[in-house]
This record gives sequence, structure tokens and C-alpha cells, in this order.
Amino acid sequence: QLQLQESGPGLVKPSETLSLTCTVSGGSIISSSYNWAWLRQPPGKGLEWLGSIFHSGTTYHNPSLRSRLSISVDTSNNQFSFRLSSVTAADTAIYYCANHPTGFPNWFGPWGQGTLVTVSS
Amino acid sequence: DIVMTQSPDSLAVSLGERATINCKSSQRISSSSNNENYLAWYQQKPGQPPKLLIYWASTRESGVPDRFSGSGSGTDFTLTISSLQAEDVAVYSCQQYYATPITFGQGTRLDI
Repeated sequence: QLQLQESGPGLVKPSETLSLTCTVSGGSIISSSYNWAWLRQPPGKGLEWLGSIFHSGTTYHNPSLRSRLSISVDTSNNQFSFRLSSVTAADTAIYYCANHPTGFPNWFGPWGQGTLVTVSS
Repeated sequence: DIVMTQSPDSLAVSLGERATINCKSSQRISSSSNNENYLAWYQQKPGQPPKLLIYWASTRESGVPDRFSGSGSGTDFTLTISSLQAEDVAVYSCQQYYATPITFGQGTRLDI
């Protein structure tokens, strides 16, 4: 059964870069059956899709993040990672990694438990 | 971007009664080529990540109780819980995957 777990710092200073990693278990990160995504949920607000990466390495980003976002895969550790540059208080949120089936766009599942990231000096 | 709007923002339903949550998209999210509606529903309990309930607007994910059902087409969709159980207290969100960026509704809080 596919399981995902986010890891990374809980506090980031404004203007710095937020880096998170998602460790996948129960399946191979390079399997053609899976694509991978990052999403977030600001406190008390709705969900926002940030970006996805396919097993092929192709990435799709939410244009709202412009060029601040990068997503990559680490096949040796069965992980995929996320970097968001020039963060502000508006980037404070619970960040989730998730799987979505082949084909894009698509739905999401399963999800990691999420990690709260606060942007503050 | 396709805007997803849910109604109501919150509702309270008695145990054993029917709960209905609506989701409206700002443009059609159905395809005439495959007759599919590109809509998913999620359940999110406090302190937990979202859980996929339904995709293709009406297909239940494996393991989801059959009291949950999805319907609708075009721009108007509904999630129905036929007989509310205590464990169904949660926030429910819809999501369109017809086009990027993928977008979600604001969520509907369901209480007893």
C-alpha cells in the first residue's frame, strides 16, 4: 500500500527558500503507474495545487507561483522534493505531498499526513 | 482558472438523515469525447489529510461506504451522504481536474 511522508523545517524566514521532501514507501517513485504532487492548505482555507512531477521527470506548476517553485525526484532514496523560493507570510500553510494516477490532470490519493510550515522572522 | 464554488459553507444534519453538498464550476468540466465529468470529492477530518471519496463525479474510491454518492454533470455537481453517521463529521471539498491549474472548492463543513 502506497504511503507518503513529508519532512522539512517547520519555520522559514521571509525571503528564504522553503525545501520539503516526500518519502514514498510501498511503491517505486519511478513507476509508470504513479505521478507525484505537492499541495498546500493555509490555516482555515481551502486546498491549493502547487505542482506535479511525472515518472518521466516532466513537471507542471501552478502559474500562481510563477517561477518560485521547483520539483524534483530522488530515485536513489525513493523521494521527491519541493523548493519554493522568496517565501512570504502568505506561504504559511500545511504542505502535503500526494500521489495521483497516470494521466494528467487527475485526482489525488493517497496523501501524506502534511507538515505545517510557518513563514516568520 | 476554473473556479469551484461549494454550497453551503457549513451545514448540520441529524444522525441518520441525508446530507447534500453542492459544487459548481465556473465552466463546464465534462468532456463530450468520453462523457466523463472531471470532478473529485474529498473528506478531511480534523488534523488529517484529505481522503479521496469519489472521482469521475460518481465513481466511489475503493473502501468508501456506499452511503456516499456523487452526481451531476457539466457545471453542477452534488455529494450526497444518504444516512449520516457520526464518523462523517468532516470538511468536504470538490476538485476539478479538467484543466490546469487544478482547483478546489473552498470546502463545506459538515456537523451533526
